[in-house]
Amino acid sequence: AQTVTQSQPEMSVQEAETVTLSCTYDTSESDYYLFWYKQPPSRQMILVIRQEAYKQQNATENRFSVNFQKAAKSFSLKISDSQLGDAAMYFCAYRSGTSGSRLTFGEGTQLTVNP
Amino acid sequence: EPEVTQTPSHQVTQMGQEVILRCVPISNHLYFYWYRQILGQKVEFLVSFYNNEISEKSEIFDDQFSVERPDGSNFTLKIRSTKLEDSAMYFCASRETENTEAFFGQGTRLTVV
Repeated sequence: AQTVTQSQPEMSVQEAETVTLSCTYDTSESDYYLFWYKQPPSRQMILVIRQEAYKQQNATENRFSVNFQKAAKSFSLKISDSQLGDAAMYFCAYRSGTSGSRLTFGEGTQLTVNP
Repeated sequence: EPEVTQTPSHQVTQMGQEVILRCVPISNHLYFYWYRQILGQKVEFLVSFYNNEISEKSEIFDDQFSVERPDGSNFTLKIRSTKLEDSAMYFCASRETENTEAFFGQGTRLTVV
Protein backbone atom coordinates (compact mmCIF):
# COMPACT_ATOMS: atom_id res chain seq x y z
CA ALA A 1 0.00 0.00 0.00
CA GLN A 2 1.11 3.51 -0.70
CA THR A 3 2.04 5.80 2.16
CA VAL A 4 2.61 9.54 2.31
CA THR A 5 4.68 11.17 5.03
CA GLN A 6 4.93 14.80 6.00
CA SER A 7 7.58 15.11 8.67
CA GLN A 8 6.93 18.75 9.55
CA PRO A 9 3.79 19.12 11.69
CA GLU A 10 4.28 22.90 11.80
CA MET A 11 6.18 25.49 9.82
CA SER A 12 6.29 29.26 9.97
CA VAL A 13 7.45 31.90 7.53
CA GLN A 14 7.69 35.66 7.45
CA GLU A 15 5.43 37.45 5.03
CA ALA A 16 7.13 37.89 1.62
CA GLU A 17 9.67 35.15 2.39
CA THR A 18 9.93 31.68 0.87
CA VAL A 19 9.08 28.43 2.63
CA THR A 20 9.41 24.79 1.60
CA LEU A 21 7.14 22.03 2.87
CA SER A 22 8.43 18.47 2.69
CA CYS A 23 6.67 15.32 1.59
CA THR A 24 7.91 11.81 0.95
CA TYR A 25 5.96 8.85 -0.32
CA ASP A 26 6.37 5.17 -0.77
CA THR A 27 5.11 3.27 -3.77
CA SER A 28 6.11 0.47 -6.09
CA GLU A 29 4.17 1.96 -8.97
CA SER A 30 5.66 3.98 -11.80
CA ASP A 31 2.46 5.68 -12.91
CA TYR A 32 0.98 8.02 -10.33
CA TYR A 33 0.02 11.57 -9.49
CA LEU A 34 1.01 13.79 -6.61
CA PHE A 35 -0.90 16.74 -5.23
CA TRP A 36 -0.69 19.48 -2.66
CA TYR A 37 -3.98 20.54 -1.09
CA LYS A 38 -4.51 23.57 1.13
CA GLN A 39 -6.99 23.50 4.01
CA PRO A 40 -7.64 26.95 5.49
CA PRO A 41 -9.53 27.41 8.77
CA SER A 42 -12.80 27.00 6.86
CA ARG A 43 -11.59 23.37 6.42
CA GLN A 44 -12.38 23.23 2.72
CA MET A 45 -9.81 21.27 0.71
CA ILE A 46 -8.39 23.37 -2.11
CA LEU A 47 -6.07 21.98 -4.77
CA VAL A 48 -2.83 23.94 -4.94
CA ILE A 49 -0.76 22.05 -7.46
CA ARG A 50 -0.51 18.69 -9.21
CA GLN A 51 2.38 16.68 -10.65
CA GLU A 52 2.25 13.69 -12.98
CA ALA A 53 5.00 11.18 -12.23
CA TYR A 54 5.87 10.72 -15.89
CA LYS A 55 6.69 14.41 -16.26
CA GLN A 56 10.25 15.37 -15.44
CA GLN A 57 9.48 19.06 -15.34
CA ASN A 58 8.43 20.39 -11.95
CA ALA A 59 4.94 21.85 -11.82
CA THR A 60 4.46 25.54 -11.04
CA GLU A 61 1.37 27.60 -10.30
CA ASN A 62 2.18 31.27 -9.78
CA ARG A 63 3.94 31.50 -6.39
CA PHE A 64 3.71 27.75 -5.81
CA SER A 65 6.17 25.27 -7.23
CA VAL A 66 7.25 21.74 -6.47
CA ASN A 67 10.54 19.91 -6.35
CA PHE A 68 9.72 16.42 -7.57
CA GLN A 69 12.50 13.91 -7.04
CA LYS A 70 11.14 10.63 -8.37
CA ALA A 71 14.08 8.44 -7.45
CA ALA A 72 14.10 9.78 -3.91
CA LYS A 73 10.27 9.68 -3.75
CA SER A 74 10.21 13.24 -2.57
CA PHE A 75 7.69 15.94 -3.46
CA SER A 76 8.23 19.26 -1.71
CA LEU A 77 6.18 22.41 -2.08
CA LYS A 78 7.83 25.81 -2.30
CA ILE A 79 5.78 28.91 -1.59
CA SER A 80 7.45 32.12 -2.73
CA ASP A 81 6.56 35.62 -1.56
CA SER A 82 4.41 34.19 1.23
CA GLN A 83 1.18 36.00 1.95
CA LEU A 84 -1.00 36.05 5.05
CA GLY A 85 -3.66 34.19 3.09
CA ASP A 86 -1.29 31.28 2.60
CA ALA A 87 -1.67 30.37 6.28
CA ALA A 88 -3.37 26.97 6.33
CA MET A 89 -2.87 23.25 6.76
CA TYR A 90 -1.15 21.78 3.71
CA PHE A 91 -1.65 18.16 2.74
CA CYS A 92 0.44 16.17 0.33
CA ALA A 93 -1.51 13.45 -1.49
CA TYR A 94 -0.85 10.50 -3.78
CA ARG A 95 -3.06 8.87 -6.37
CA SER A 96 -2.28 5.77 -8.36
CA GLY A 97 -2.37 6.05 -12.12
CA THR A 98 -3.35 2.43 -12.56
CA SER A 99 -5.14 0.90 -9.62
CA GLY A 100 -8.07 2.81 -8.19
CA SER A 101 -8.49 6.54 -7.89
CA ARG A 102 -8.44 7.17 -4.16
CA LEU A 103 -6.24 9.89 -2.73
CA THR A 104 -3.85 8.92 0.05
CA PHE A 105 -3.00 11.89 2.23
CA GLY A 106 -0.09 12.75 4.47
CA GLU A 107 -0.51 13.97 8.03
CA GLY A 108 -0.41 17.62 7.05
CA THR A 109 1.81 20.61 7.81
CA GLN A 110 0.33 23.63 9.57
CA LEU A 111 1.82 26.76 8.00
CA THR A 112 1.82 30.03 9.89
CA VAL A 113 2.64 33.26 8.08
CA ASN A 114 3.95 36.02 10.33
CA PRO A 115 3.40 39.66 9.36
CA GLU B 1 -17.12 28.52 -11.16
CA PRO B 2 -18.77 25.13 -10.61
CA GLU B 3 -18.31 23.66 -7.18
CA VAL B 4 -19.16 20.64 -5.08
CA THR B 5 -21.86 21.49 -2.56
CA GLN B 6 -22.44 19.68 0.71
CA THR B 7 -25.35 19.93 3.13
CA PRO B 8 -25.68 20.39 6.00
CA SER B 9 -22.52 22.20 7.02
CA HIS B 10 -22.89 20.92 10.57
CA GLN B 11 -24.97 18.01 11.89
CA VAL B 12 -25.37 16.98 15.49
CA THR B 13 -26.89 13.58 16.14
CA GLN B 14 -27.38 11.20 19.03
CA MET B 15 -25.43 7.99 19.19
CA GLY B 16 -27.31 5.19 17.48
CA GLN B 17 -29.23 7.47 15.14
CA GLU B 18 -29.03 7.33 11.37
CA VAL B 19 -27.65 10.30 9.45
CA ILE B 20 -27.57 11.13 5.77
CA LEU B 21 -24.95 13.50 4.46
CA ARG B 22 -25.71 15.07 1.13
CA CYS B 23 -23.52 16.20 -1.73
CA VAL B 24 -24.17 17.72 -5.12
CA PRO B 25 -21.12 17.01 -7.29
CA ILE B 26 -20.13 19.16 -10.24
CA SER B 27 -22.64 18.42 -12.98
CA ASN B 28 -20.44 16.83 -15.66
CA HIS B 29 -18.37 14.80 -13.21
CA LEU B 30 -18.56 11.03 -13.26
CA TYR B 31 -16.47 9.90 -10.29
CA PHE B 32 -17.59 10.56 -6.73
CA TYR B 33 -15.90 10.12 -3.39
CA TRP B 34 -16.38 10.41 0.33
CA TYR B 35 -13.48 11.13 2.67
CA ARG B 36 -13.46 11.84 6.36
CA GLN B 37 -11.15 13.75 8.67
CA ILE B 38 -11.26 13.15 12.38
CA LEU B 39 -10.25 16.34 14.19
CA GLY B 40 -6.49 16.76 14.19
CA GLN B 41 -5.88 13.76 11.95
CA LYS B 42 -5.24 13.15 8.29
CA VAL B 43 -7.90 12.93 5.62
CA GLU B 44 -8.95 9.31 5.04
CA PHE B 45 -10.59 7.74 2.01
CA LEU B 46 -13.95 6.06 2.57
CA VAL B 47 -15.44 5.13 -0.78
CA SER B 48 -15.46 5.85 -4.49
CA PHE B 49 -18.47 5.57 -6.77
CA TYR B 50 -18.67 5.35 -10.53
CA ASN B 51 -21.33 4.26 -12.97
CA ASN B 52 -23.87 3.84 -10.18
CA GLU B 53 -21.82 1.45 -8.14
CA ILE B 54 -19.07 1.41 -5.58
CA SER B 55 -15.73 1.08 -7.33
CA GLU B 56 -13.50 1.04 -4.26
CA LYS B 57 -13.92 1.22 -0.50
CA SER B 58 -11.60 1.35 2.46
CA GLU B 59 -11.61 -0.79 5.57
CA ILE B 60 -13.34 2.06 7.37
CA PHE B 61 -16.36 1.74 5.10
CA ASP B 62 -18.08 -1.12 6.88
CA ASP B 63 -21.70 -2.29 6.88
CA GLN B 64 -22.94 0.75 8.76
CA PHE B 65 -22.04 2.97 5.79
CA SER B 66 -23.79 3.15 2.45
CA VAL B 67 -23.76 5.49 -0.51
CA GLU B 68 -26.37 6.29 -3.08
CA ARG B 69 -26.93 8.50 -6.08
CA PRO B 70 -30.72 8.65 -5.84
CA ASP B 71 -31.62 11.11 -8.58
CA GLY B 72 -28.67 11.68 -10.91
CA SER B 73 -27.52 14.83 -9.15
CA ASN B 74 -27.23 14.10 -5.43
CA PHE B 75 -24.69 11.77 -3.89
CA THR B 76 -25.39 10.70 -0.32
CA LEU B 77 -23.53 8.99 2.49
CA LYS B 78 -25.67 7.21 5.06
CA ILE B 79 -24.41 6.12 8.44
CA ARG B 80 -26.95 3.69 9.85
CA SER B 81 -26.22 3.69 13.56
CA THR B 82 -23.80 6.42 14.50
CA LYS B 83 -21.07 5.94 17.09
CA LEU B 84 -19.10 8.56 18.98
CA GLU B 85 -16.04 7.78 16.87
CA ASP B 86 -17.94 8.73 13.71
CA SER B 87 -17.60 12.36 14.75
CA ALA B 88 -15.51 13.92 12.00
CA MET B 89 -15.52 16.21 9.03
CA TYR B 90 -16.90 14.40 5.98
CA PHE B 91 -15.81 15.58 2.56
CA CYS B 92 -17.43 14.79 -0.73
CA ALA B 93 -15.31 15.05 -3.88
CA SER B 94 -15.91 14.60 -7.57
CA ARG B 95 -13.82 14.20 -10.66
CA GLU B 96 -14.69 14.55 -14.33
CA THR B 97 -12.47 11.79 -15.70
CA GLU B 98 -9.92 9.33 -14.35
CA ASN B 99 -7.07 11.69 -15.12
CA THR B 100 -8.39 14.98 -13.83
CA GLU B 101 -8.08 16.27 -10.31
CA ALA B 102 -10.71 15.87 -7.62
CA PHE B 103 -12.65 18.87 -6.40
CA PHE B 104 -13.78 18.84 -2.80
CA GLY B 105 -16.86 20.22 -1.15
CA GLN B 106 -16.66 22.41 1.91
CA GLY B 107 -17.37 19.46 4.20
CA THR B 108 -20.02 18.45 6.72
CA ARG B 109 -18.99 18.48 10.34
CA LEU B 110 -20.71 15.53 12.04
CA THR B 111 -20.89 15.53 15.82
CA VAL B 112 -22.21 12.42 17.54
CA VAL B 113 -23.24 12.94 21.16
